[in-house]
Amino acid sequence: DAMVIQNPRYQVTQFGKPVTLSCSQTLNHNVMYWYQQKSSQAPKLLFHYYDKDFNNEADTPDNFQSRRPNTSFCFLDIRSPGLGDAAMYLCATSRGGGSYNEQFFGPGTRLTVL
Amino acid sequence: AQTVTQSQPEMSVQEAETVTLSCTYDTSESDYYLFWYKQPPSRQMILVIRQEAYKQQNATENRFSVNFQKAAKSFSLKISDSQLGDAAMYFCAYRSADTGNQFYFGTGTSLTVIP
Repeated sequence: DAMVIQNPRYQVTQFGKPVTLSCSQTLNHNVMYWYQQKSSQAPKLLFHYYDKDFNNEADTPDNFQSRRPNTSFCFLDIRSPGLGDAAMYLCATSRGGGSYNEQFFGPGTRLTVL
Repeated sequence: AQTVTQSQPEMSVQEAETVTLSCTYDTSESDYYLFWYKQPPSRQMILVIRQEAYKQQNATENRFSVNFQKAAKSFSLKISDSQLGDAAMYFCAYRSADTGNQFYFGTGTSLTVIP
C-alpha cells in the first residue's frame, strides 16, 4: 500500500544533542510537510516543500531545519534540542497546487529530550 | 492566514447516538476545500470527510456527514450511530484552492464515546 513512513517512531535525545527525523513516501506526492504536535493540540506547521521549493513558517525557530534530497524523502533536523522541543513530529504529504486532495500523514515520531 | 475555530474542546456521546462537532472558519476566498480529520489515541491521523466549497451538496461518508453553510462559514461534522472506535481527536482543516499547499487546522475536539 502507498504510504507515509516515519523513522524512528520514538527518539530520545539529550538536551543540545542534534537529532534527525526521517520521512519517506511512496505516494509520489510533490508536497511534503513537517508538523510539530504537542499533547492534545493541533498540529503546528513547521515548513513544507513543494517539489524542491522550501517554505518556512515565519515562527519556526532557526533550530529546526529540513532537507528534501528527492521526491520520496524528507528530513527534519533539530540542531540543538531543548526541553520545549519534546513533542510528536508528524510528516504529511499531498498533491500540490490547490488540490482537492487531502494530506496523508505518517504515524509520527515521538521525541523525548532529556 | 485563514483561521479555523473549533469551539468544543471536548464532547461526549452515548454509543449508537448522534453527535455534531462544530467548526467555523474565516476566509475571504470563494474557492477552497474543507476537511475533517480523525486522530485516535496514539494512532495515525486519517481523513474522515471532505467538502469542496463550490459544491452546495453536503458530503457524506457512511455514518459521517457534514453541514456546510458557506455564507455562515460553518462546517460541522455529524457522526451517526456512534461507535466506540469513533473516540478520537477530530480536527477541522481548511485548504485554499488558489494558494493551495497549506492546511490550516482547528484546535481539535476530543470525542469520548460512552458505552
